[in-house]
Amino acid sequence: GQQLNQSPQSMFIQEGEDVSMNCTSSSIFNTWLWYKQDPGEGPVLLIALYKAGELTSNGRLTAQFGITRKDSFLNISASIPSDVGIYFCAGRNAGGTSYGKLTFGQGTILTVHP
Amino acid sequence: DTAVSQTPKYLVTQMGNDKSIKCEQNLGHDTMYWYKQDSKKFLKIMFSYNNKELIINETVPNRFSPKSPDKAHLNLHINSLELGDSAVYFCASSQGSGWGSGNTIYFGEGSWLTVV
Repeated sequence: GQQLNQSPQSMFIQEGEDVSMNCTSSSIFNTWLWYKQDPGEGPVLLIALYKAGELTSNGRLTAQFGITRKDSFLNISASIPSDVGIYFCAGRNAGGTSYGKLTFGQGTILTVHP
Repeated sequence: DTAVSQTPKYLVTQMGNDKSIKCEQNLGHDTMYWYKQDSKKFLKIMFSYNNKELIINETVPNRFSPKSPDKAHLNLHINSLELGDSAVYFCASSQGSGWGSGNTIYFGEGSWLTVV
């Protein structure tokens, strides 16, 4: 089945630094999504990307859908303590028996030191 | 009001027991899901239902039986619980099952299951 490789697995940064994480896939997706999970909560959608090459921002967050449709990155600028959490990339299929399902990356654990 | 709500939030039970987790969404969505998050935080789909019909079953052991009495509810029943079933189970919903922008998947807060 499809697999997503997300890196880095964890990051320890100082408040104010920029952060970058990415995901690569062995096969193409029609949609790339980035979620954040806070402790004790469910994943919350940050950014959704629907077209190859698309670059989308949401406040301090910027994400891009790779041209090959096999990768995506998420950047966070000027990090703040509340950015702490686990960030997941997810790809969504358009066809076949797994129509519409999300395949998740392994997650990036972000720690921000004040 | 919570959009996707699931109960219980925490459940500790003994091996061999049967337990259920309930999920309700008040978003008027047609599609609901169950995802499992293991101890390494890896999230994997288990089931997907569209308008009460099963559309995705990711080779989950048949001890796990989802039931959708109506499109706003998708419950998960687990028979003969095993230690390896300990995980966080997330219910989710979306307007449809396609990949377009109108089908954003919203997750519940999770149910922490511990089997002892």
